[in-house]
Amino acid sequence: AQKVTQAQTEISVVEKEDVTLDCVYETRDTTYYLFWYKQPPSGELVFLIRRNSFDEQNEISGRYSWNFQKSTSSFNFTITASQVVDSAVYFCALSDRTSGTYKYIFGTGTRLKVLA
Amino acid sequence: DADVTQTPRNRITKTGKRIMLECSQTKGHDRMYWYRQDPGLGLRLIYYSFDVKDINKGEISDGYSVSRQAQAKFSLSLESAIPNQTALYFCATSRGLAGTLTGELFFGEGSRLTVL
Repeated sequence: AQKVTQAQTEISVVEKEDVTLDCVYETRDTTYYLFWYKQPPSGELVFLIRRNSFDEQNEISGRYSWNFQKSTSSFNFTITASQVVDSAVYFCALSDRTSGTYKYIFGTGTRLKVLA
Repeated sequence: DADVTQTPRNRITKTGKRIMLECSQTKGHDRMYWYRQDPGLGLRLIYYSFDVKDINKGEISDGYSVSRQAQAKFSLSLESAIPNQTALYFCATSRGLAGTLTGELFFGEGSRLTVL
């Protein structure tokens, strides 16, 4: 089965706090990609990161970091020193070779509210 | 100008009307997708196309049809709109990688459809 679970529906933090958004995935494929997207209040979907299943190195980009652990089928996203501009809905997605061709499956999203 | 353009951005229509949402892209990608976003449900795939002669159903294709008029154009039609098709619709593109692997999705700005 192909599935992405974002159990946290909504998280509120105060500015400058660190926050981690969880993503758990299910796939039978050994080759797959994981993604994170950001949807700010303006509504567009912004690509943040792509990670393939053979690369378990953690990634850091400024205040953003991602922890990929195949052993727990998780691809968690941490924002360090959060800012009000980080307020958005964040989606985790999986692309694997379900039904013979690669498609994307999205989680239901986590709404992050960063309070000033 | 946006690389992936959707028209119209907003549309209000009545039950039973035929509606077409259009998508055009300047990214040169061969793969195009239509997604629907509903609150709490994330993004769900309606149809996707890997080239002009390739059209595939996604997980929620009932009540929708598509047309891939050219590599750069992919239209979504609701033949007879109903209120539960009220949603935010996104067109997306991606480039193919080795074999059937695929890169990240690039989204249009979304088309908000309301069916009364």
